[in-house]
Amino acid sequence: GAVVSQHPSWVICKSGTSVKIECRSLDFQATTMFWYRQFPKQSLMLMATSNEGSKATYEQGVEKDKFLINHASLTLSTLTVTSAHPEDSSFYICSARDPQGAYEQYFGPGTRLTVT
Amino acid sequence: LAKTTQPISMDSYEGQEVNITCSHNNIATNDYITWYQQFPSQGPRFIIQGYKTKVTNEVASLFIPADRKSSTLSLPRVSLSDTAVYYCLVAPGSGYSTLTFGKGTMLLVSP
Repeated sequence: GAVVSQHPSWVICKSGTSVKIECRSLDFQATTMFWYRQFPKQSLMLMATSNEGSKATYEQGVEKDKFLINHASLTLSTLTVTSAHPEDSSFYICSARDPQGAYEQYFGPGTRLTVT
Repeated sequence: LAKTTQPISMDSYEGQEVNITCSHNNIATNDYITWYQQFPSQGPRFIIQGYKTKVTNEVASLFIPADRKSSTLSLPRVSLSDTAVYYCLVAPGSGYSTLTFGKGTMLLVSP
């Protein structure tokens, strides 16, 4: 099946700094990718839909100026957490659909962000 | 998007068959039912997807009654490694639709 990777797998940063997380579709081109956030013992919450070559669509309550999304190519979407604070510590997961495949979305392995 | 309801947790033993039922009373005509599995600190993994009747693959079966208001994921002969959270999702079948994850079912398989 299609493979989606994320980098880094985990990151620790200081409060006030920015962190970039990459999401790549390794063997297919994805015009649309999705970013989720998952807090401990909770379900995944959709943050935004990333569209190649256009602006991302953010879910209600997600600050677009804080969570910058760039989808500059058909295989790469990035999520930048700007001016991170401890409450941004979470598990960030991206997903993408393989246009050549069936209807399922493929998820990346996730990135654990810890803000100290 | 159709809301789903599934048990918060289930317990089983190795070698048993596990059936997890999901209710989705407001499913739309163009909605598909998809199940994902998630291990701690990993992204969800696709298990199976169906529209109606029965779908079977190498890891699970999905049973969907005629009214499509519910579905049952069947895991045959579970092992310890099947301990995970299982999510039932309902969304249009294009694959580009946003997915709304419910609370999922935490399945614990014991020796």
